[in-house]
Amino acid sequence: DTAVSQTPKYLVTQMGNDKSIKCEQNLGHDTMYWYKQDSKKFLKIMFSYNNKELIINETVPNRFSPKSPDKAHLNLHINSLELGDSAVYFCASSQGGAGTEAFFGQGTRLTVV
Amino acid sequence: GNSVTQMEGPVTLSEEAFLTINCTYTATGYPSLFWYVQYPGEGLQLLLKATKADDKGSNKGFEATYRKETTSFHLEKGSVQVSDSAVYFCALVNAGGTSYGKLTFGQGTILTVHP
Repeated sequence: DTAVSQTPKYLVTQMGNDKSIKCEQNLGHDTMYWYKQDSKKFLKIMFSYNNKELIINETVPNRFSPKSPDKAHLNLHINSLELGDSAVYFCASSQGGAGTEAFFGQGTRLTVV
Repeated sequence: GNSVTQMEGPVTLSEEAFLTINCTYTATGYPSLFWYVQYPGEGLQLLLKATKADDKGSNKGFEATYRKETTSFHLEKGSVQVSDSAVYFCALVNAGGTSYGKLTFGQGTILTVHP
């Protein structure tokens, strides 16, 4: 039973389109995250939600909008996709404390053509 | 702000060789330190962690010791296997309630082990 699952695993789309990535966790965690991994494997946080409330919003274009319908789900919607948005997007969850482990989904490889 | 610096990669070793991947950090207070591993085509998995100075994290033959005096958390393994080929990330989470478990990652080190 997958702890953090995100769909789709691969997403190929044209510039200018709008797309969504879904994420669900069954670990009972209060905090969920979106991280972006670029072509050089560098990982950077984008957003974090705690109990459906946005708590971390790094410098991310407004075209990216997270939505948390409940604490087990955190979706990422991207408007007007650009070539530079091509990356692997990872969803993660944790209890949110300083020493707690984050559990990651398998990633969504987004390719904008 | 927080930052994590890992040794430049990629690293290529023969099976049974000794592995060290250096990691140093900059943070306020007393962060928790982590090593995550990413196998090809997969998400990140926690390899080991340490939450206070002088703690040693260990798992699957890998070890790392939290050294506050040198702000380091170097990863070591005495004898690597082909199955250890992956990307390794050093990361930290700041202490304090406002961090909400936000991870700051190093740039990742690609390890390839040949038979």
